[in-house]
Amino acid sequence: KQEVTQIPAALSVPEGENLVLNCSFTDSAIYNLQWFRQDPGKGLTSLLLIQSSQREQTSGRLNASLDKSSGRSTLYIAASQPGDSATYLCAVSRNQGGKLIFGQGTELSVKP
Amino acid sequence: NAGVMQNPRHLVRRRGQEARLRCSPMKGHSHVYWYRQLPEEGLKFMVYLQKENIIDESGMPKERFSAEFPKEGPSILRIQQVVRGDSAAYFCASSPPRGSFYEQYFGPGTRLTVT
Repeated sequence: KQEVTQIPAALSVPEGENLVLNCSFTDSAIYNLQWFRQDPGKGLTSLLLIQSSQREQTSGRLNASLDKSSGRSTLYIAASQPGDSATYLCAVSRNQGGKLIFGQGTELSVKP
Repeated sequence: NAGVMQNPRHLVRRRGQEARLRCSPMKGHSHVYWYRQLPEEGLKFMVYLQKENIIDESGMPKERFSAEFPKEGPSILRIQQVVRGDSAAYFCASSPPRGSFYEQYFGPGTRLTVT
């Protein structure tokens, strides 16, 4: 049974810092991995999707890496801003069109 | 292209009533997923549908919950005889039939409160 774990559960950093969020999964047989952002009381915004054959994806100040064999992904946020404050979720799917299995999320707070 | 739309955004029901949650996928998307986020818990998969077919309902509670995605119109998640434990945020996601590697796009959610 696939389990997804995110560490740390919460993180507080000063504005401008670079930071790394971690995600691990127990079953390496994944189809893809998605990183999402969730603001309080809101829905999920897709940030990056990494296919199982890829090693990383980049979008602006965000970079996500995937090491499928070790069951790990990281989300790197460069030059953090207060507007980055949110909960970050990672999720994996096992097959094409399959359900997403989510981690518990990392709650990020970026202080001005 | 409008995003995934869900309505209502907030729904209050008394115990024993029925709740109907609607989801309109993004244009061109034929895959719909429902997830539930209980207070202080993570997002959990409930059901995966394509037009007129349930593909995977492994996350649906065995009783009182049903889902459909008809040929025309939105997908509906129906909860009969609601109980307090059904209070949660219910999210719908959609993905295209192929391409974009089945990236899922989420709606804003329906927050159900059972009193």
